Amino acid sequence: EAGVAQSPRYKIIEKRQSVAFWCNPISGHATLYWYQQILGQGPKLLIQFQNNGVVDDSQLPKDRFSAERLKGVDSTLKIQPAKLEDSAVYLCASSLGAGAGGETQYFGPGTRLLVL
Amino acid sequence: AQSVTQLDSHVSVSEGTPVLLRCNYSSSYSPSLFWYVQHPNKGLQLLLKYTSAATLVKGINGFEAEFKKSETSFHLTKPSAHMSDAAEYFCVVSRGGFKTIFGAGTRLFVKA
Repeated sequence: EAGVAQSPRYKIIEKRQSVAFWCNPISGHATLYWYQQILGQGPKLLIQFQNNGVVDDSQLPKDRFSAERLKGVDSTLKIQPAKLEDSAVYLCASSLGAGAGGETQYFGPGTRLLVL
Repeated sequence: AQSVTQLDSHVSVSEGTPVLLRCNYSSSYSPSLFWYVQHPNKGLQLLLKYTSAATLVKGINGFEAEFKKSETSFHLTKPSAHMSDAAEYFCVVSRGGFKTIFGAGTRLFVKA
């Protein structure tokens, strides 16, 4: 079974530029998550989709971050314009569902972003 | 509201000795609790999870954790550390699959 795919793996941009990350979840997984992991910290949930609807974006900085999940499969996360503090690893995860009880989340390798 | 606190940022043990990684949580609801491991340059992987069934949960690679509601704790243990256990470990709380919160992480060092 193929895992969660993310691209690109690395990205270097200058502040005020825009950047986009792509995620392809495990086939059949209804729930998709985007996390931001700053060096030395635990991942922070940015947004959670169930199918193609947003169920939680309370920690997404909506003035500069946006995300979409077209057709309930692939997802893109965009930052525009980027700031120095956005330097982090962006992790995508998916799970079969998000109902009662703990769903196992399967993580992709992440995209490492450096903003100069 | 819910939160999770990992009480140690670093833990160092000798190979063959027991491992204890401590985690306390706070939740207004019956939580789901997880431990994930992150090896260098590898993705996050689930070690084990508690979802209101047995309070003693066994995971992969000989790890286990005990849910103690009275102490609001979910400590991770392993009887005998192996060099390959060296990694970053995260305690995670969620409410029915939502509002997932990761702890700050505990880095485990294993000395030969």
